[in-house]
Amino acid sequence: EAGVAQSPRYKIIEKRQSVAFWCNPISGHATLYWYQQILGQGPKLLIQFQNNGVVDDSQLPKDRFSAERLKGVDSTLKIQPAKLEDSAVYLCASSLKGGGADTQYFGPGTRLTVL
Amino acid sequence: AQSVAQPEDQVNVAEGNPLTVKCTYSVSGNPYLFWYVQYPNRGLQFLLKYITGDNLVKGSYGFEAEFNKSQTSFHLKKPSALVSDSALYFCAVRDIAQKVTFGTGTKLQVIP
Repeated sequence: EAGVAQSPRYKIIEKRQSVAFWCNPISGHATLYWYQQILGQGPKLLIQFQNNGVVDDSQLPKDRFSAERLKGVDSTLKIQPAKLEDSAVYLCASSLKGGGADTQYFGPGTRLTVL
Repeated sequence: AQSVAQPEDQVNVAEGNPLTVKCTYSVSGNPYLFWYVQYPNRGLQFLLKYITGDNLVKGSYGFEAEFNKSQTSFHLKKPSALVSDSALYFCAVRDIAQKVTFGTGTKLQVIP
């Protein structure tokens, strides 16, 4: 079974530029999550999709971050414009149904450096 | 609001010795508890979870964790540490509303 795929693996941009990350979840997984992991901290949930609907985006900085999951499969996370404090690893995860007991499976992450 | 505490930034243990990585939590209602491991430049890998039932949960790579409701703890354990167990370990809690919160992580260093 193929895991969660993410691209790119690394990205370096200047502040105020835009950047987009892509995630392809495990086939058949209804729920998709985007996390931000700042160095030395645990992952912080940015947004959770159930199929193509948003379940939780309470911690997403909506003035600069956006995410979509068209057709309930792939997802993109965009930052526009980027700030220095956005430097982090962006992790995508998926789970089968999204219930509390559901196990999340993580991709390798995208390491973003904002200069 | 729910929270997870991993009180030790780093745990050092000699190879072959038992290891414990501590986790305490705060959540409304019954918790779902998870342990993940992260190797350098990799995503998180699932180790084990507690949903209900037996307080001792067995997981991947010989790890186990004990759920203690009265102490609101979910410590990760392994009887005999391997050098390859050296990694970053994260505890996570999820409540009935599906909100998930991760701890700050504990770096495990197994010394040969």
